Amino acid sequence: GDSVTQMEGPVTLSEEAFLTINCTYTATGYPSLFWYVQYPGEGLQLLLKATKADDKGSNKGFEATYRKETTSFHLEKGSVQVSDSAVYFCALTENTGNQFYFGTGTSLTVIP
Amino acid sequence: GAVVSQHPSRVICKSGTSVKIECRSLDFQATTMFWYRQFPKQSLMLMATSNEGSKATYEQGVEKDKFLINHASLTLSTLTVTSAHPEDSSFYICSATAYAVNQPQHFGDGTRLSIL
Repeated sequence: GDSVTQMEGPVTLSEEAFLTINCTYTATGYPSLFWYVQYPGEGLQLLLKATKADDKGSNKGFEATYRKETTSFHLEKGSVQVSDSAVYFCALTENTGNQFYFGTGTSLTVIP
Repeated sequence: GAVVSQHPSRVICKSGTSVKIECRSLDFQATTMFWYRQFPKQSLMLMATSNEGSKATYEQGVEKDKFLINHASLTLSTLTVTSAHPEDSSFYICSATAYAVNQPQHFGDGTRLSIL
């Protein structure tokens, strides 16, 4: 079945450091891939998405490229800020009943 | 962008009380809504999937008589935790999606439920 494997955290970085959070997936077809961010005490917000191979999703300085050959969708940011501290979830859907599959989440803390 | 409103954001009540949580899609028609439960520092656990006008589909291990879900319209779904007990204390999050290819789920801000 479908699944998402996400880099375990927690991750602690200094401000302006480079961020990579790894995400790989297993799917039977051609999924759409998403990154969500959850700030403390809040729900999830869609950060970016990619719907087909080689697509790059980007938002707020974050990027992720849909790599079909490696079944990956790694999240990157060139220079993190304290305000990026949150939990990040990788997710996929194959639109089968709109079911989503989430990774376990990666907690990021950015220190000044 | 798509907005999902979840209410209330926080509930504190006595054991044995029933609690209703509302999830509304404000600017799109949500053919499918999802209810999740999240424990501290853990990922989302899907509880049930509801489609407008039909009975919800519950995940294995989720008591349907305990967690009543109603999806009466394309913009509103409710989760009622019946006769809540301390072990039901958790963070509950709803999400909604429209019927279209590659549509993301849009999440509410969650409800922190604390049962004393």
